[in-house]
Amino acid sequence: QKEVEQNSGPLSVPEGAIASLNCTYSDRGSQSFFWYRQYSGKSPELIMFIYSNGDKEDGRFTAQLNKASQYVSLLIRDSQPSDSATYLCAVTRGDMRFGAGTRLTVKP
Amino acid sequence: ETGVTQSPTHLIKTRGQQVTLRCSSQSGHNTVSWYQQALGQGPQFIFQYYREEENGRGNFPPRFSGLQFPNYSSELNVNALELDDSALYLCASSLRDSQSLSLQYFGAGTRLSVL
Repeated sequence: QKEVEQNSGPLSVPEGAIASLNCTYSDRGSQSFFWYRQYSGKSPELIMFIYSNGDKEDGRFTAQLNKASQYVSLLIRDSQPSDSATYLCAVTRGDMRFGAGTRLTVKP
Repeated sequence: ETGVTQSPTHLIKTRGQQVTLRCSSQSGHNTVSWYQQALGQGPQFIFQYYREEENGRGNFPPRFSGLQFPNYSSELNVNALELDDSALYLCASSLRDSQSLSLQYFGAGTRLSVL
């Protein structure tokens, strides 16, 4: 079992729709959870972090964490073509472990 | 811009050679983590340096080694290069203290090709 699992996608949504990205993790001791966006050929860019159960909103982005289910998600509202990228889920318990990423395409 | 700089941006080496990659941390950060990202995969943790000492290591052989300097910049050294070492090498800096969550910010990476 991988430590951090994400659907590889590609996930395709129309412009203006809500994109929902999911991630599960295996280590119940994981403490903090992150979402990074990575454009092709670029390095990961931090967009959200969460460490308490529940929802955290920042602009068009909402991160959701359920530690009991070992599940973290990212919702992107009003998706734009510029949101097209690979989204990486990462968890930490000391060091940071990444999933393989979900490729999101937002179609105009 | 994260303020984390890496050099060089691209590098081509042959099997068996040695390589040194460099990273300058964001101002005020005291921790550097190195990652290897193969094509189509997420970054894999290599190791982390905090106050010039290794502070955690992933599942990488000893031929991957590193240093952190008093100014918190860092080097990643890889000896006896193998074809599978071809990847994007990412450096991330963060501020580790007892008061705040440690957020990691990545440099642009060094793309290493081993022929």
